[in-house]
Amino acid sequence: QQPVQSPQAVILREGEDAVINCSSSKALYSVHWYRQKHGEAPVFLMILLKGGEQKGHEKISASFNEKKQQSSLYLTASQLSYSGTYFCGTEIRTGNQFYFGTGTSLTVIP
Amino acid sequence: DAMVIQNPRYQVTQFGKPVTLSCSQTLNHNVMYWYQQKSSQAPKLLFHYYDKDFNNEADTPDNFQSRRPNTSFCFLDIRSPGLGDAAMYLCATSRDRFGRGGYTFGSGTRLTVV
Repeated sequence: QQPVQSPQAVILREGEDAVINCSSSKALYSVHWYRQKHGEAPVFLMILLKGGEQKGHEKISASFNEKKQQSSLYLTASQLSYSGTYFCGTEIRTGNQFYFGTGTSLTVIP
Repeated sequence: DAMVIQNPRYQVTQFGKPVTLSCSQTLNHNVMYWYQQKSSQAPKLLFHYYDKDFNNEADTPDNFQSRRPNTSFCFLDIRSPGLGDAAMYLCATSRDRFGRGGYTFGSGTRLTVV
C-alpha cells in the first residue's frame, strides 16, 4: 500500500525544472508532500485534498489526479536549497491510513 | 515559535539496555506519532496517540512501548534494543487524527546500538 515514487533519484543543475510523481494502488483522500534534508526531519510542503487541486509554494507546486490516484510535484528554476529527499504521503480512503511514498532523492548542482 | 522538540539528538545505548526517547510539543496538537526511519527508507509509523487513545501499528514489535503522560509530552521506550533497532526516531504531531493539516516533525533522535 506504500505509494511508489518516480524517479528514484534525479540530478539537476541550478535553474532546471523537475517533476516527481507519486502513484498509489488505492483510492486516495489526500496527498502530502515533504522534503527531508540529510540527517534532518521531514518538512511539510503542502497537502492536496481534492481531485484536480493544484497548489503552489514559491517555485514548488503540486497537482492531484484523484481518478488516477496520482500526484505530481513540480520544482521550477531549481535552487541548491531544493536538494534533499522528497516524500509523498497518501491518506487512503478506506480506513484513512497514511503511508509515506518510496522517496525521490533530488540533488541540485551549481 | 511553536514546535516539536526531541531529546536527545543522538543516543548511544548498549545491546539489550532499555532506552527512552522523549518528545515535547508546544503546538497543542491532539495527535502525536512515533516513526522509525532507517537509512534511505521512508519513515515507518510505530504508533500514535489521539489524545490519550493509544494506537499501535500491527507490525510494531512488542519491544517498543510508548507513554503520553499529558498533551505536551510523549515517550518512546525500547525495552531491549537490538542492533536492528538502530535508526532515526522521529516524533510528529498533527492537529487532527488524519493529519489533514500536515504533520510537524521534531528534529529526530538518532539511536546507535553497540
